[in-house]
Parts: sequence; structure tokens; C-alpha cells
Amino acid sequence: DTGVSQDPRHKITKRGQNVTFRCDPISEHNRLYWYRQTLGQGPEFLTYFQNEAQLEKSRLLSDRFSAERPKGSFSTLEIQRTEQGDSAMYLCASRSGLTYEQYFGPGTRLTVT
Amino acid sequence: ELKVEQNPLFLSMQEGKNYTIYCNYSTTSDRLYWYRQDPGKSLESLFVLLSNGAVKQEGRLMASLDTKARLSTLHITAAVHDLSATYFCAVDMTSGNTPLVFGKGTRLSVIA
Repeated sequence: DTGVSQDPRHKITKRGQNVTFRCDPISEHNRLYWYRQTLGQGPEFLTYFQNEAQLEKSRLLSDRFSAERPKGSFSTLEIQRTEQGDSAMYLCASRSGLTYEQYFGPGTRLTVT
Repeated sequence: ELKVEQNPLFLSMQEGKNYTIYCNYSTTSDRLYWYRQDPGKSLESLFVLLSNGAVKQEGRLMASLDTKARLSTLHITAAVHDLSATYFCAVDMTSGNTPLVFGKGTRLSVIA
């Protein structure tokens, strides 16, 4: 399967702990996006990469959040000192430079207790 | 700031009936997307509408885009239970390198 993959699929952590999520986009997709979705809401944009460059960050992305895409392939999203309000589904999407359609991964569901 | 509004937010419809979901957005864009999401799952792309007047159909779903009215519709024909899901519309800015802005979604329930 060559779709977008994310790991882990579920993460339960205690408040104050750090967590890191990984996203592997579709091969040769140079654009990668992170979104966050809370219950009953649409996904909200967090950050965007074109190749290894982080081109845009939402104001939702507080200083506790950091994202990387070191070689322009997979990406990681780290949340430091997690808070209960961080509990959400974290979605990764990718697209090529030739089309506009974004393909979403299965998501990582984070629960902060 | 780009805003996307969908209505209705909740829709319960009988099998075999027709209905339309509306998506309005606040600023100029030529690109609109419809996604489906099943409970606990990720988003599945349904339609990508790239120009004014675009119409696309897949099975019992048909989507259209009117960029002058900043309106897209998702029409459901002769609904079946398998269409029960949450449907999201999303818009991105015309410049092309911007993220998607989503509506709140329409939770559709098709009942017998």
C-alpha cells in the first residue's frame, strides 16, 4: 500500500509528558501537512512543509509544538509538556506538486490524562 | 481570514430520499474539496472541484461549484444506509500552496 501512513495510531499519555508522532507521505509527494481534529469539528491546519522546508505554521501551533521533515520524506510532530487540551486526532496529509488533492493518513489519536 | 460554513450540520434522512448539503465560503477561491469521514476513521477524498461551474458525480453523490456565489453543493440521490458518514467541504486559497480550511462537517444519518 502506498498511501499516507502514521505512527502510532493511538497514544495515551499523562499530562506533562512529551510525545512524538510520525508521518510517512505518499512517495514523491513533496508537500506535507499536519492537521488537528477535535470531536465534532473539522480538521484545523497546524503546519505545512514543502520538501524539507517548513513554510507555514498556524497560530494554533504553540511553542510546545515542533515539526520537522529532515530529508523531505517523513515528518515528525512533537508535543512537549502535553496538556489535556492537546487531546485530539492528529492527521497528516500529503500531495504532489502536480495536483491539488490532499491525501490523508489514518491519523494518530492522542489522549492526555 | 477564509471561513467555510456548512449546513445543515446534522441531517437525518430516509432511504430513497434526495437531499442537498450546502457549503459557503468567505473569500475568493477556485478550488473546493469534499471529503467523507466515517466514525473514528480518517478522511476520504470524494471530489475536487477546480473551476466555476464544475460538476462531478460518483454514484449517488453529485458535487457542484459556483465560485461567483462562493457556494458548493453536495447532492445526495436516493440515499442508502452506506452513505451515513460525516461530510466535510474544504477550500484553499487560489495561490495553491495554502492549507485546506474545513467546514464543521455535516453528519448524515440515513435511516430505513
